[in-house]
This record gives sequence, structure tokens and C-alpha cells, in this order.
Amino acid sequence: SQKIEQNSEALNIQEGKTATLTCNYTNYSPAYLQWYRQDPGRGPVFLLLIRENEKEKRKERLKVTFDTTLKQSLFHITASQPADSATYLCALAVSGNTPLVFGKGTRFSVIA
Amino acid sequence: NAGVTQTPKFRVLKTGQSMTLLCAQDMNHEYMYWYRQDPGMGLRLIHYSVGEGTTAKGEVPDGYNVSRLKKQNFLLGLESAAPSQTSVYFCASSYRDKNTEAFFGQGTRLTVV
Repeated sequence: SQKIEQNSEALNIQEGKTATLTCNYTNYSPAYLQWYRQDPGRGPVFLLLIRENEKEKRKERLKVTFDTTLKQSLFHITASQPADSATYLCALAVSGNTPLVFGKGTRFSVIA
Repeated sequence: NAGVTQTPKFRVLKTGQSMTLLCAQDMNHEYMYWYRQDPGMGLRLIHYSVGEGTTAKGEVPDGYNVSRLKKQNFLLGLESAAPSQTSVYFCASSYRDKNTEAFFGQGTRLTVV
């Protein structure tokens, strides 16, 4: 069956450290993968998109990698700040008129 | 700049009652989606639409119906609410090209008692 798994339900890290969140998928051949941030009581907000032919994408303190051989995406937050605390969701889509499929998310907390 | 707006934000229903959730977007997006989010289950797709007048089933469509009579609106209906439909419902929209982000509404918290 098709599955998207994010490495853990919760991840805690000290302020200033680099965090790495993992998204693994099975039985998909995604054309691209996206990462979203969700704050309590709010809808998800788009952060980054990476295509199957791209290895890495950056945006400010965020970096995403995509390894189609390992079927894995890594999401890095450098110099973590308390304001980065949120749930982070990965989502993927295959080519064609297919909607995004989401992982369950990782709750990320930065401790000052 | 409204984006995606969901109505209502909160609702309590009795088992067996019906209701309609409204989603409106002002970005001229072709695609619209309804997801539900439950603790430990993540976002699960209920129904979606790839254009005005079209709808398709997602992962968990049972007990729900949808309509897309106008491009900017996507309605989610519960004909006979059940406690298992207690959830937070999110609407989202995106452009036709799948290589673009999805924009989400603020969510509707529905409780069925």
C-alpha cells in the first residue's frame, strides 16, 4: 500500500541548533514534494516545493532535499528559534490530476 | 486579500442532522479540495474538484457529498451527521499546474453529539 511516514510525532530541540525532519514514502513515484507549516488552530501554510529532478532547495533558514532512490525528503531548519515551533507536514503528488497526499506531520518545538 | 474562506468556523450538530460547509476562494484556482484532520491521522482527502462542475472522491468520501457549481465555491455536505464525523475540516485550492502550492482555509471545527 502507499504510505507517507514522517520520522516522529514530536521533535524537541534547543534554540540555535539545526533540526532535521524526515519524510519517507513507499509505493509512490512523486513528481514533486512539498513541505507545509501548521500552527495550532490554523490551516497549513506552504513553505517549499522540490521537484523529482532537484536534489536540494533553500529558502532563508530552510533547506529541503529529495532523494528518489531512498524515497526520502529531509527538511532542515538551521539556527532554530522558538518561533519555528509548529507542526511540519510533507505532501507529495504524482503527475496528472491527482491531489496532494499528506503525511501525519511532525510536532516541532524549540526550547529557549 | 481574502484567499480561501471557510464558513462556518465552528459548529455543533446532533446525530442525524444535516449541514453544508462552504469554501470560497478568490484566486481563480481551478482545483479545490476538502480534507479532514483528526488527531494522529493527519490530513485525509474527502473529495476534490479539478474544475467547475466536476468532483471526484478522495480517500474518505463516505458520508459526504460535494458540489462545485461555481468556480470560486466548493460545498461539502453532510446529509446525516454521525459522531465519527467530528473533526476539523480544511478546504484548499490550487492552480491547475500541480507544481504549485495549495492554499488552505482556516478550518471548520465540527462536533457531532
